[in-house]
Amino acid sequence: AQSVTQLGSHVSVSEGALVLLRCNYSSSVPPYLFWYVQYPNQGLQLLLKYTTGATLVKGINGFEAEFKKSETSFHLTKPSAHMSDAAEYFCAVSPSGGYQKVTFGTGTKLQVIP
Amino acid sequence: NAGVTQTPKFRILKIGQSMTLQCTQDMNHNYMYWYRQDPGMGLKLIYYSVGAGITDKGEVPNGYNVSRSTTEDFPLRLELAAPSQTSVYFCASRGQGTTNEKLFFGSGTQLSVL
Repeated sequence: AQSVTQLGSHVSVSEGALVLLRCNYSSSVPPYLFWYVQYPNQGLQLLLKYTTGATLVKGINGFEAEFKKSETSFHLTKPSAHMSDAAEYFCAVSPSGGYQKVTFGTGTKLQVIP
Repeated sequence: NAGVTQTPKFRILKIGQSMTLQCTQDMNHNYMYWYRQDPGMGLKLIYYSVGAGITDKGEVPNGYNVSRSTTEDFPLRLELAAPSQTSVYFCASRGQGTTNEKLFFGSGTQLSVL
């Protein structure tokens, strides 16, 4: 069984401020972890992923996330928010090697205030 | 490269009507998925397929049916539409193998059942 919890359905930051979106997961086997971004009226796009190896992963648009097994967390960060970062962000988990099912969190809408 | 194509983009149904949401991908992906997205609920898996002729239920399959006669196509059928099926539907696909964990999403179908 696997699940994802995203803390905060809405997050507001000022332009230039740190972005921190929280994700905790549970999985009975070693997980693959993902962050996807959804812009208005579009499908989801992969931002970054962790499968194996280095626990700090870098994605597109300056985002990064760190896999912390002891905390079962995979928080998404960006040092300086840009207006174009306003979107909805989804954390997701799948079993390592398990191609069948990807479980998504409920999403966090990021608002960037000028 | 078209990726994952969904049709129609919008549809309004009356209660009890039926319809098929079309999904096709041109990446020769074995794995295909149907998700529904409801506000504040994230994405819920309806059905998935690991290859032509093979389908399986996800978290919320009731009221839906699928088929997978070819690698490219994965249509979702609603037989007796109900207001609870008002949602945004996303089709997704992924390749096979440990380097193909990324999901590719279509742009979605917004369905209203009145």
